[in-house]
Amino acid sequence: SQKIEQNSEALNIQEGKTATLTCNYTNYSPAYLQWYRQDPGRGPVFLLLIRENEKEKRKERLKVTFDTTLKQSLFHITASQPADSATYLCALDNTNQAGTALIFGKGTTLSVSS
Amino acid sequence: SAVISQKPSRDICQRGTSLTIQCQVDSQVTMMFWYRQQPGQSLTLIATANQGSEATYESGFVIDKFPISRPNLTFSTLTVSNMSPEDSSIYLCSVGTGRRELFFGSGTQLSVL
Repeated sequence: SQKIEQNSEALNIQEGKTATLTCNYTNYSPAYLQWYRQDPGRGPVFLLLIRENEKEKRKERLKVTFDTTLKQSLFHITASQPADSATYLCALDNTNQAGTALIFGKGTTLSVSS
Repeated sequence: SAVISQKPSRDICQRGTSLTIQCQVDSQVTMMFWYRQQPGQSLTLIATANQGSEATYESGFVIDKFPISRPNLTFSTLTVSNMSPEDSSIYLCSVGTGRRELFFGSGTQLSVL
């Protein structure tokens, strides 16, 4: 069956450290993989997208990798800050058409302590 | 990008009643989606609502329970009918703008007693 798994429900780190979140999937062949941030009481907000032929994507303190052989994406936040505390969701885009519905993982809740 | 207003933000309802959730977008969009997010679970797609056609429902969701309207390119409603405590969840409206990413409303926190 098809599955998306985010390695842990919760991750606690110290301010200034790098947070690494994992997303694994089975029985999908996504053309794109996306990461979203969700704060309590809010809808998810798009962060980064990476294509199947890209190994790595960066945006400011964020870095995403995508290994289609391992069927895994890693999401890194460097120099983490308490404001980075939120739930991070990975999402698969399994189609060739832009703007279609995504399939989401359960998310990992990151807590950054000062 | 798209800005989405979703109402109500939260509600507490009695078993057996219905609630209609509204989703207003600040621009015309073709694709609108309704998701459910149960506690500790991933976002689950309920249906895709395209203007001018019937909504397409995902497995496990039926029109009688979750009727959807899409009267124009900026507005949609989702009704949760004949509610039971199992329907307690966050309901999210989402749109695609022709790019790959989706934009979400703030969600409706529904509690059914």
